[in-house]
This record gives sequence, C-alpha cells and structure tokens, in this order.
Amino acid sequence: DIQMTQSPSFLSASVGDRVTINCKASQNINKYLNWYQQKLGEAPKRLIYNTNNLQTGIPSRFSGSGSGTDYTLTISSLQPEDFATYFCLQHNSFPGTFGAGTKLELK
Amino acid sequence: EVQLMETGGGLVQPGKSLKLTCATSGFTFSTAWMNWVRQSPEKGLEWIARIKPKSTNYATEYAESVKGRFTISRDDSKSSIYLQMNSLKEEDTATYYCTWMGFAYWGQGTLVTVSS
Repeated sequence: DIQMTQSPSFLSASVGDRVTINCKASQNINKYLNWYQQKLGEAPKRLIYNTNNLQTGIPSRFSGSGSGTDYTLTISSLQPEDFATYFCLQHNSFPGTFGAGTKLELK
Repeated sequence: EVQLMETGGGLVQPGKSLKLTCATSGFTFSTAWMNWVRQSPEKGLEWIARIKPKSTNYATEYAESVKGRFTISRDDSKSSIYLQMNSLKEEDTATYYCTWMGFAYWGQGTLVTVSS
C-alpha cells in the first residue's frame, strides 16, 4: 500500500493567517490526491479532489497543488470556521490510503 | 440530495459479531462502488472493504486487517450495503463510515466499541 506522510501533525494559527499542510506519498500518485476537513463528531468533508479541484460549495480560500509525490493544501486567510482537522487521501492505487491528519488550532 | 446513513454500531464483547447497515438515497445505487472506512484515534482513517455493482458479480475486496472476519454485501432493492463483522477484536473499535464516489460522500458514522 502507498504510505501517506502528512505534516505538520499540529498547527497553531490565527484568524487571517495563511497556512499550508503537506502530504508526501511513498510513490507517484499522479495527482489523485484529495483533501478533507473534519470537525469533532462529524464525518470528513471533501474540500479538494485530484490535487486542485475545489468541491462545489467550498470557499475559494482553500486551494491545492502538487504533483508526483508531494502535495499541499493552502488556506489563504483563515476563518474561525476553518479550525478543524485536515486529512489527505491518495486514490491512485487501491486501496486508498489516508494521511494521519493535521489538527489546526487557534493560537 | 445524496444521503448515507450508518446504523448498527454498539458495544460488543471480543469474539462476538455485529452487523452494520448503510442506507443510501439520492443516487443510482445499483451501479455504485461502495466502501466501508473506519476511524480510530490509534490508527486514523483506514479503508476496510469495497463492493462493486452487479455487473462485476458484486466483486468484493478487503483490507488485510479484516480479511476473513468481515463481509461486505449489498441489497440493491434497498439501496443499502452491509458489513458483517465476526470474531471482533478490541482493535476493531472505531467509528465506521460508508462512502461513495471515490470517498466524495460519507455517512455520519456509527461507533463500534469492542470491549469486555
């Protein structure tokens, strides 16, 4: 299985900050990388699919980039509702595998 | 509107069995590839099973961690999938989600706790 290494595990930031979260795959995943947001007690919600495609209804302050083995989620200006946990998922190779998550906390 | 709803979780003793149900609506279930994913604090998010549509003879696949103990199935007439979990272990304790369309849509999850 492809291993996904996500960093950082924890991130403290303030409203208005620009933040980036990274995922590194153990092999080329051909841009088949999704990003999810999860709030306490809720299911993961897909934000971005296939590296840089914004899910309908997701604010444009969220963006994704990357290729090969290295991928990034960027939140351009943090809003209060963005403090949550973020996960990446590769679905290039079966089975899909997830990153361990990044908990984004208010500084 | 796409909806997925898992039920059937609860507290169960090690070695016992439990069956989860995921009822769906809002999409063409009969052609859908459906997955079960679980989440625990110890292991994070883990894909565990997949079932394909009738055109594939309902082909199934499993993660090694559950192979031989868990069985995924579906009932197209009820737009539902199931997860029969046998020989449960404490490490199976997790919230179980059903997902559709390449993990785009998720249910709200059902908590399974395996403990004596």
